[in-house]
Amino acid sequence: KNEVEQSPQNLTAQEGEFITINCSYSVGISALHWLQQHPGGGIVSLFMLSSGKKKHGRLIATINIQEKHSSLHITASHPRDSAVYICAVRGTDKLIFGTGTRLQVFP
Amino acid sequence: EAGVAQSPRYKIIEKRQSVAFWCNPISGHATLYWYQQILGQGPKLLIQFQNNGVVDDSQLPKDRFSAERLKGVDSTLKIQPAKLEDSAVYLCASSYSREETQYFGPGTRLLVL
Repeated sequence: KNEVEQSPQNLTAQEGEFITINCSYSVGISALHWLQQHPGGGIVSLFMLSSGKKKHGRLIATINIQEKHSSLHITASHPRDSAVYICAVRGTDKLIFGTGTRLQVFP
Repeated sequence: EAGVAQSPRYKIIEKRQSVAFWCNPISGHATLYWYQQILGQGPKLLIQFQNNGVVDDSQLPKDRFSAERLKGVDSTLKIQPAKLEDSAVYLCASSYSREETQYFGPGTRLLVL
């Protein structure tokens, strides 16, 4: 069993839909990251969380430390949101990555 | 602020050949990471440098992979000889310190034939 599990693995949506991507982890962490990877391969850091909730534009990330669970929400989704979204947790001294959620948003 | 630079962006080689990747981190970032990302998987840490010293290379296949960061700035990752299963995107990332956010380069996409 992977230490970081994401769901769903693949997600398709129509433009404008509200999207939720989930991340569960089984190790103790000091922080959790949500990353966005576009088809060209580049990775962008979206959020770093250690508690509570963060919002940036149409993106919202939440974390529940007791339940070892985080969610990434996208409101009013747009085709340019199409990417792979990766959850990564900071364990003792390194990042542990989930396998990613592939999101496709159609016009 | 310039981001993490990597070159080349793409490389195609035949198995048993050698290849080298280069990474220039963000200025002032002491920590540098090399990751291997196989298609459909999340990135896997190969090696982590703190300045020019190795912090973690537990997942680096040392029989064929090597990396150095001689002056604590740029870094090179080498594969010699390459195998088919080395086909992946090799990502370099840097951070101000081990606890800070990592910034990723665009990656080098390697195809081994």
